[in-house]
Amino acid sequence: SYVLTQPPSVSVAPGQTARITCGGNNIGSKSVHWYQQKPGQAPVLVVYDDSDRPSGIPERFSGSNSGNTATLTISWVEAGDEADYYCQVWDSSSDVVFGGGTKLTVL
Amino acid sequence: EVQLVESGGGLVQPGGSLRLSCAASGFTFSGYWMSWVRQAPGKGLEWVANIMQDGGGKFYVDSVKGRFTISRDNAKKSLYLQMNSLRAEDTAVYYCARLVNVPTATEYFQHWGQGTLVTVSS
Repeated sequence: SYVLTQPPSVSVAPGQTARITCGGNNIGSKSVHWYQQKPGQAPVLVVYDDSDRPSGIPERFSGSNSGNTATLTISWVEAGDEADYYCQVWDSSSDVVFGGGTKLTVL
Repeated sequence: EVQLVESGGGLVQPGGSLRLSCAASGFTFSGYWMSWVRQAPGKGLEWVANIMQDGGGKFYVDSVKGRFTISRDNAKKSLYLQMNSLRAEDTAVYYCARLVNVPTATEYFQHWGQGTLVTVSS
């Protein structure tokens, strides 16, 4: 089965840039999607197809994907960005796969 | 505005059954794949099941195959999850989600409901 690996936690100061990675075997050949989940709330799609943003998602959120690593980048981090972030792909043998999630802490 | 509202969660004994419902509004329900995704307390997200627009194709994670059944009623704009032979490890918040499916390419969850909690315990 296909496995996605995320760091458990990332910390960043307000105004700085946060980078959350998602590792997988040849993940660059797949489309990667990212979700933000704040405590007690449902997940929200923030990036799809590696780097596209749904309407209403700030341009501060961007994504990239190459080789064995996909990255969600949050520029000019705000306190309100503190949340859990999950990457997700579709794999022909595993169907939908989520990463284990990364807790973003804004210092 | 897309809205997905789950109901039917609650406390059930191991081996018992429960039926979850999801009421959809704000979009053409019959035009979309739909899904259930769950999240155990303090844990990450886990995909559970998908269903095609006409209900003809259904897909499940291995851990629920033979126990859970996803279905839909397009006339009622509703999605369901029948859960039988429930186990303690099925305890989770269950989310209804609208799926974007690109055949043989990718799938992702475009909109989510607020979830309903299922607790399996004696």
